[in-house]
Amino acid sequence: EVQLLQSGAEVKKPGATVKISCRVSGYRFTDYYIHWVKQAPGKGLEWMGLVDPEDGGVRYAENFQGRVTIIADMSTDTSYMQLSSLISDDTAVYYCATGTAAAGINNYYAMDVWGQGTTVTVSS
Amino acid sequence: DIQMTQSPPSLSASIGDRVTITCRASQGIRNYLAWYQHKPGKVPQLLIYGASTSLPGVPSRFSGSGSGTDFTLTISSLQPEDVATYYCQKYNSAPRTFGQGTKVEIK
Repeated sequence: EVQLLQSGAEVKKPGATVKISCRVSGYRFTDYYIHWVKQAPGKGLEWMGLVDPEDGGVRYAENFQGRVTIIADMSTDTSYMQLSSLISDDTAVYYCATGTAAAGINNYYAMDVWGQGTTVTVSS
Repeated sequence: DIQMTQSPPSLSASIGDRVTITCRASQGIRNYLAWYQHKPGKVPQLLIYGASTSLPGVPSRFSGSGSGTDFTLTISSLQPEDVATYYCQKYNSAPRTFGQGTKVEIK
């Protein structure tokens, strides 16, 4: 069974950096991209970026460019999302997700497996 | 970047009603369009990919259609457990933009 297991809730002060982990199991880590998605309170889903675990290649959404770093560690089958210079608007639930061959064709996959979410609270 | 515009932002319908949500891409995305259901306090669930292919286990009352720039999610007979926010998403390329969401409630 494909599973994504995220690290626990975080409380950070403004200006700090948060790093969330997402450990993959049930498939070969390098087979599929890992995506990160933000949901702030009362807001919609916002795609932040992705990493290709096979070569470490990344793509980031413009809104997070310069503050977000997403990596894939093949030694532990874990992706990390680091967000720096935190502000109150970064208070949100952050999800990792992956798209497998059950959700598309020709290497174009929708996100069919999600982590449980990690709550990040930014407060002074 | 391609923008995804969903409508309506919210709707209220009666049990058994037919519900339609639309999603428009600012440029053509062929059929690389997914629909997700997100209930409060839960993890988002993929319902449909490829604009019209339902995942196994998704109730048959959910269906998707469209190609290019215009897409539709239809719930043929609204049920109480369908109360949720629904999102479309393009997945042909990065950024994998979501629509703004449509909140579905029971009247």
